[in-house]
Amino acid sequence: NAGVTQTPKFRILKIGQSMTLQCTQDMNHNYMYWYRQDPGMGLKLIYYSVGAGITDKGEVPNGYNVSRSTTEDFPLRLELAAPSQTSVYFCASSYFLSTGITFDNQPQHFGDGTRLSIL
Amino acid sequence: AQKITQTQPGMFVQEKEAVTLDCTYDTSDQSYGLFWYKQPSSGEMIFLIYQGSYDEQNATEGRYSLNFQKARKSANLVISASQLGDSAMYFCAMREHTSGTYKYIFGTGTRLKVLA
Repeated sequence: NAGVTQTPKFRILKIGQSMTLQCTQDMNHNYMYWYRQDPGMGLKLIYYSVGAGITDKGEVPNGYNVSRSTTEDFPLRLELAAPSQTSVYFCASSYFLSTGITFDNQPQHFGDGTRLSIL
Repeated sequence: AQKITQTQPGMFVQEKEAVTLDCTYDTSDQSYGLFWYKQPSSGEMIFLIYQGSYDEQNATEGRYSLNFQKARKSANLVISASQLGDSAMYFCAMREHTSGTYKYIFGTGTRLKVLA
């Protein structure tokens, strides 16, 4: 009963370093999302994916890249880390039928988050 | 543009009393979903309650209820009989369907403190 798993839970990076935040889900959800949450703020969408091989930008994509080679995995890549990317990162997943009919009351399933500091 | 507004940055409530957390939204979609999440100090996002735009009755889940006023575009969360464990950040979110894809937008949150 793992749900959405994010690794690592904590990480400190130096300015200019790169890293990949891992996200995997075992619920066969087609949609996956990456959010960042700055202190005292809500969640902002970085990238999302509607299925394997399909990704698109969200509200704040600059400085990040994603890939979705499988249904289960949706890694987030930070290239050339900057202090402005210090944040808590959440991965989430949902399931939507391609017909456009939704399981209306199904919420997003969230991972526990990755706390990232860039110094 | 679709938007979620939570105007209360912080709220206090006495233990065992009820509290209402405000949420207003803006959308041109006819079909949408509204969600409330709780984020305790440990950081995880916990789903509380859902209201669909076509639901005629207000959603309830235990001590949580959603006061849905469609014409006013508001979806306030009501917590009855507050407990110390309810102290947390609360987020209102809306599921939107744009260009054939589903995304969620979140409010800035309300920090609730329950007083003993």
